[in-house]
Amino acid sequence: SQKIEQNSEALNIQEGKTATLTCNYTNYSPAYLQWYRQDPGRGPVFLLLIRENEKEKRKERLKVTFDTTLKQSLFHITASQPADSATYLCAPSEGKNNAGNMLTFGGGTRLMVKP
Amino acid sequence: EAGVVQSPRYKIIEKKQPVAFWCNPISGHNTLYWYLQNLGQGPELLIRYENEEAVDDSQLPKDRFSAERLKGVDSTLKIQPAELGDSAVYLCASSGRSGSTDTQYFGPGTRLTVL
Repeated sequence: SQKIEQNSEALNIQEGKTATLTCNYTNYSPAYLQWYRQDPGRGPVFLLLIRENEKEKRKERLKVTFDTTLKQSLFHITASQPADSATYLCAPSEGKNNAGNMLTFGGGTRLMVKP
Repeated sequence: EAGVVQSPRYKIIEKKQPVAFWCNPISGHNTLYWYLQNLGQGPELLIRYENEEAVDDSQLPKDRFSAERLKGVDSTLKIQPAELGDSAVYLCASSGRSGSTDTQYFGPGTRLTVL
């Protein structure tokens, strides 16, 4: 069965360091993968999208990589700040015919950035 | 531009009672999603609408859950009767174009507690 794995344990890092979150998937052939941020009591907010033919995507302090051979995406936050503390969700999509914009979310990884 | 609106934000009911959640998507968004999110987990799709048509409701427990989007704009999700295991956050999301990689915009969710 299809499976998306994110580290369920919280990631604690010091302010200014780079945070790296992992998303692994099995029995999946995603055409693209999205990353979302979710704060307590709020809905997820879109951050970045990376397609299967892209190795890397950047947006300000954020960087996402996508390795279809390893079946893995890495999400990096450089120069992390306490305001980056949140849960980060990965969501691959196979984007097949009639599937439309169908996302399946991982369980999320909680990031805590300490000042 | 207003985001996705959901109401109520919180609902506490006793088991076997009915409950309804309302969602108004972003203006112009044809695709609407209802998700269920349990504590510490990612959102799980319940149903997806393209305009007023439910195009994916395979994960909706149809014995007690129902949804409608009569005019292709706002939507209602109903549970009748509610069970203890239905306690969760119910998220609504919308996106602009079906079959695309358009990102999903989420509402704040309705936190349901069944006693």
